[in-house]
Amino acid sequence: NAGVMQNPRHLVRRRGQEARLRCSPMKGHSHVYWYRQLPEEGLKFMVYLQKENIIDESGMPKERFSAEFPKEGPSILRIQQVVRGDSAAYFCASSPLDPYGQGVYEQYFGPGTRLTVT
Amino acid sequence: QKEVEQDPGPLSVPEGAIVSLNCTYSNSAFQYFMWYRQYSRKGPELLMYTYSSGNKEDGRFTAQVDKSSKYISLFIRDSQPSDSATYLCAMTSGGYQKVTFGTGTKLQVIP
Repeated sequence: NAGVMQNPRHLVRRRGQEARLRCSPMKGHSHVYWYRQLPEEGLKFMVYLQKENIIDESGMPKERFSAEFPKEGPSILRIQQVVRGDSAAYFCASSPLDPYGQGVYEQYFGPGTRLTVT
Repeated sequence: QKEVEQDPGPLSVPEGAIVSLNCTYSNSAFQYFMWYRQYSRKGPELLMYTYSSGNKEDGRFTAQVDKSSKYISLFIRDSQPSDSATYLCAMTSGGYQKVTFGTGTKLQVIP
């Protein structure tokens, strides 16, 4: 069973360009989360998605950032007009729905995409 | 005050020692508690999760939850150099609520 896959692993963008980060969840998982991690800092929640639905985007910056998880295909985190402060590691995690349909808790992480803005 | 507090360390112990890692939290609605291990430049790896209060053991790892004190712990017995990593606690109230992470404790096990 393949784990969570993220690509690209490393991404370099110039200021003002767009960055697209992709995440394929584990097989059978219907929930995806995106986090940002700066060096020596913890994981900062960005957005929580279910297929075709954003459940919680309270951690997403209001401008330039968007996320989607379409019915088919990977989840995409999109950063428009990148700035140097966007340089970080971006992690995706996926969760199964618990057997009682009460929600989700255990998350499985991908290897991350390291974004560098020059 | 942060919802989840975790001492960043670093914590250095000799090989074979018992390691105790801890988190405190303020949100009494949290019911699910997880511990993750993260090696340098890698994604976090789920180690253990527990529901509500009590203990859970898995090999050399024991997770404890004390909801009355809002305090959770991870114990590592017979620590190995390969345990050197950053350990993150995480928790959620369940349902469709987001998971909140601690900032992580960096552990170094010295051979």
